[in-house]
Amino acid sequence: GAVVSQHPSWVICKSGTSVKIECRSLDFQATTMFWYRQFPKQSLMLMATSNEGSKATYEQGVEKDKFLINHASLTLSTLTVTSAHPEDSSFYICSARDQRKVLAGYNEQFFGPGTRLTVL
Amino acid sequence: GIQVEQSPPDLILQEGANSTLRCNFSDSVNNLQWFHQNPWGQLINLFYIPSGTKQNGRLSATTVATERYSLLYISSSQTTDSGVYFCAVETSYDKVIFGPGTSLSVIP
Repeated sequence: GAVVSQHPSWVICKSGTSVKIECRSLDFQATTMFWYRQFPKQSLMLMATSNEGSKATYEQGVEKDKFLINHASLTLSTLTVTSAHPEDSSFYICSARDQRKVLAGYNEQFFGPGTRLTVL
Repeated sequence: GIQVEQSPPDLILQEGANSTLRCNFSDSVNNLQWFHQNPWGQLINLFYIPSGTKQNGRLSATTVATERYSLLYISSSQTTDSGVYFCAVETSYDKVIFGPGTSLSVIP
């Protein structure tokens, strides 16, 4: 149980294009999903918290117009990197909390396999 | 904001050895998780442990919330244990902060 998928696994795009990354909870419903970014040999940095049916909450320093987040259903959140530039190249990872476990007091996060973005 | 530290930053073990990884945090937290990031980047949940002690096979973890630290024990290490181990804490503001990680290499 508690499986989170991400698509695509990796993507290469040209500078100036937009890239959409999907995060799905496959066997549970998630009212809250999180998006992280990880540079090589560094830790995970939280970019934003995505709540189903409402606007995402972005961390300080993360441009909301550049990193568009949509949490349209209880099993799907998307991150769109708009007008991508080489400095946006990174490993993007999503996570989700199981709604039923949260209601029981367990805020455990389950992570997707990540998406490696390379902007040329 | 809350600071999360992990030690040691790097660790090399001979297969079969035991090790203890430490996570210190600077303020009260609502919960704490330990993860193993494999070489392909996947984060694997090890423990959800806001307090107390848990064991799962060769791994166990202890969190002493009042003293703001958690320990991850790995016994009889195997080469497949190699990777980066992260602790992550959730603050009272519902923020999740990751520590810098411990990079573990287990050599045969």
